Amino acid sequence: DTEVTQTPKHLVMGMTNKKSLKCEQHMGHRAMYWYKQKAKKPPELMFVYSYEKLSINESVPSRFSPECPNSSLLNLHLHALQPEDSALYLCASSQQGSGSSGTQYFGPGTRLTVL
Amino acid sequence: AQRVTQPEKLLSVFKGAPVELKCNYSYSGSPELFWYVQYSRQRLQLLLRHISRESIKGFTADLNKGETSFHLKKPFAQEEDSAMYYCALRQRDTGFQKLVFGTGTRLLVSP
Repeated sequence: DTEVTQTPKHLVMGMTNKKSLKCEQHMGHRAMYWYKQKAKKPPELMFVYSYEKLSINESVPSRFSPECPNSSLLNLHLHALQPEDSALYLCASSQQGSGSSGTQYFGPGTRLTVL
Repeated sequence: AQRVTQPEKLLSVFKGAPVELKCNYSYSGSPELFWYVQYSRQRLQLLLRHISRESIKGFTADLNKGETSFHLKKPFAQEEDSAMYYCALRQRDTGFQKLVFGTGTRLLVSP
């Protein structure tokens, strides 16, 4: 299995809802990432997990809460989002370490709409 | 700060014409550079990376440290090359984990 999968594909939520995005990979990668991508813009890094520990948080608001339950799974918990948080949320994974290729493998994304 | 610049938002060429997508970077260390591509309705995927010095789908890119550039080239564009192309730099000072993306260039190849 050489793909990163993400569920759901689409999500519509109100500002008071709580929802979660899920990401899974079975390539044995020990680094996993969440990105936010607005229309016609490049992906913006949100979080990086390395060996299931949060290693980078790009000053993301606390209404986004990441979780890495094991080496294959990455979640993004959403609560009290704002309409401007509507975007495509991408998950990625890669090998970990200075000797690794650095190639990040991306999932198809979850298209989030906040009403 | 590390920065990746792609000066062209849109590059429109005819099939069979040569293509060059420009990428310049600023980085104080030794960079690792990548080109990622996003075809319509497909996920973002790696096209090539400078370390491997490979040619993928006829595309090549050479790292020019003197000019701090990593331009993507193809001698004869095909319609199926139409896509969004992102140049990206891997930052060593974050333990190699962080990719910084340029703003992207949309390549449109017309018949």
